[in-house]
Amino acid sequence: DSGVTQTPKHLITATGQRVTLRCSPRSGDLSVYWYQQSLDQGLQFLIQYYNGEERAKGNILERFSAQQFPDLHSELNLSSLELGDSALYFCASGQGGNTGELFFGEGSRLTVL
Amino acid sequence: QKEVEQDPGPLSVPEGAIVSLNCTYSNSAFQYFMWYRQYSRKGPELLMYTYSSGNKEDGRFTAQVDKSSKYISLFIRDSQPSDSATYLCAMREVYNQGGKLIFGQGTELSVKP
Repeated sequence: DSGVTQTPKHLITATGQRVTLRCSPRSGDLSVYWYQQSLDQGLQFLIQYYNGEERAKGNILERFSAQQFPDLHSELNLSSLELGDSALYFCASGQGGNTGELFFGEGSRLTVL
Repeated sequence: QKEVEQDPGPLSVPEGAIVSLNCTYSNSAFQYFMWYRQYSRKGPELLMYTYSSGNKEDGRFTAQVDKSSKYISLFIRDSQPSDSATYLCAMREVYNQGGKLIFGQGTELSVKP
């Protein structure tokens, strides 16, 4: 158990809908990272928050947004969903900075029909 | 061209074999190199961590980094069926304040009894 909790584990929805994925980081970790994993693209970095502030951004679509709350949990919002958004979405947490290890949750599997 | 290239396999070996997994990269700013292991339907977990060039050994696992060739390797000695998983290389820049990791595609390894 990494200590990172993600909900929901599975989600099935229709195109055009909006979903929210939730992540609780490990106790004491200030950084939260979101990654998308698909079969053809591998693990793609989406966005990072550190202590409530956006720290780094990857190839995150404009239809996607995220935030980190004062209690350090984070939410990833996916809107106007398309079939191609079907993937595993991972949250990871860490101390932040260059040398820290990332601890991954078990992921939220999103299926868009 | 992707920043990090990794042969997705699949790679199948008999129990007891020595396994060699490799990644190449193009970004010379990468200084931190990691190997993650991901079991089916689970989040990635850190296996090995190396800073800059050199070797690091941990039990049956050895990580090598050759920055001059932009090439990293993971060797698994006396491979076991429990080593069957997807192995992902990951890298990070020194001055990347975000601390984000860039992952390879992952190599699927199967160790047959």
